[in-house]
Amino acid sequence: DIQMTQSPSSLSASAGDRVTITCRASQSISGYLNWYQQKPGKAPNLLIYASSSLQSGVSSRFSGSGSGTDFALTISSLQPEDFATYFCQQTYSSPLTFGGGTKVEIE
Amino acid sequence: EVQLVESGGGAVRPGGSLRLSCAASGFTFDDYGMNWVRQAPGKGLEWVSGIKWNGDRADYADSVKGRFTISRDNSKNSLYLQMNSLRAEDTALYYCARSHSSGWLDYFDYWGQGTRVTVSS
Repeated sequence: DIQMTQSPSSLSASAGDRVTITCRASQSISGYLNWYQQKPGKAPNLLIYASSSLQSGVSSRFSGSGSGTDFALTISSLQPEDFATYFCQQTYSSPLTFGGGTKVEIE
Repeated sequence: EVQLVESGGGAVRPGGSLRLSCAASGFTFDDYGMNWVRQAPGKGLEWVSGIKWNGDRADYADSVKGRFTISRDNSKNSLYLQMNSLRAEDTALYYCARSHSSGWLDYFDYWGQGTRVTVSS
């Protein structure tokens, strides 16, 4: 099974900050990497698919990059509504696996 | 509007069984692969199982293989998860999620709100 390792597991930041979350796969997954945002008490919401494609309706301050084993999610200017937990997911091979999550908190 | 509504969760004793359902609407159900994802209290997301559009192939996480069975009834626009031999570590919120393509190996573009399963003596 492919292991997905996210870092950091949590971070504190202020509104307006640029934030980057990384995700590393235990083997190459080409570009089959997706990012989800989850707010407390809510279902996850797709932000980025195929490493860098922005899901319809998602703010352009979110961007994704990477291929192979190393990926990143960047929020260009953190907004109050962005404080949430973020998960990466590989869909290169089954079983599908998620990273452990990164909680973005208000500093 | 795409909607996924899970049901069937509840409290069960270790070793017991439950059957979860997910009612889909707002899209052509048999065009898409479907999945179950769970989230234990305060923990991350764990993919549980996925099934192809026509139900002829499915896969499972190692943690549930041999105990859980995913199925679908395209005539009823419904997805199911039969959970047997339940353990305390199966306690979680179970989400139904749609894959973007006909198999399960694709990103999840829609999620339900989840149904809670508690396994405790």
